[in-house]
Amino acid sequence: EPEVTQTPSHQVTQMGQEVILRCVPISNHLYFYWYRQILGQKVEFLVSFYNNEISEKSEIFDDQFSVERPDGSNFTLKIRSTKLEDSAMYFCASSSSEATEAFFGQGTRLTVV
Amino acid sequence: KNQVEQSPQSLIILEGKNCTLQCNYTVSPFSNLRWYKQDTGRGPVSLTIMTFSENTKSNRRYTATLDADTKQSSLHITASQLSDSASYICVVSAGEGDNDMRFGAGTRLTVKP
Repeated sequence: EPEVTQTPSHQVTQMGQEVILRCVPISNHLYFYWYRQILGQKVEFLVSFYNNEISEKSEIFDDQFSVERPDGSNFTLKIRSTKLEDSAMYFCASSSSEATEAFFGQGTRLTVV
Repeated sequence: KNQVEQSPQSLIILEGKNCTLQCNYTVSPFSNLRWYKQDTGRGPVSLTIMTFSENTKSNRRYTATLDADTKQSSLHITASQLSDSASYICVVSAGEGDNDMRFGAGTRLTVKP
């Protein structure tokens, strides 16, 4: 069964450092998403990506965040200068269309120290 | 304010028993409602997606209902198994945009032998 894969599963970084979280969406999907979940809190939408550009982003997705699809398979989330409050699980998801179910990856646990 | 409220916050049941989880929302306009299962530390997995015209939808031992008039949904789990222990998250889409997805806080279900 096709699945969304994320790497690494756990990333520890020092405050102020840049991190790149990687995702390989399901191959025939066209819509890609990043979400985050702070420990014990709700899942929060960060950004959606379609046709090689951001289609929507939330208030959380400020100038410190960026996304890229550098090739035909990878979808990355970059945080330029991490803050302690960026510590969370980051989930990548993909879907074949806006109205169909989104498939989530297993997440990357980011810990900023 | 667009909100998704889930109840109960947590639930403990014995293996083999049935249970029903509730989701009330004030999201408007309404596009669709999804139920996800999230194991601890893992990504959400889609169980059902329901549109305005659907009242009930079943997926194996999961049956979701939707009353768009009262803005309520329920997820009924039949003959629970230990592997059903997880958080169940209700997600309501306000429109066609991804930023309009509203996540509930989830119901933490524990199934005991």
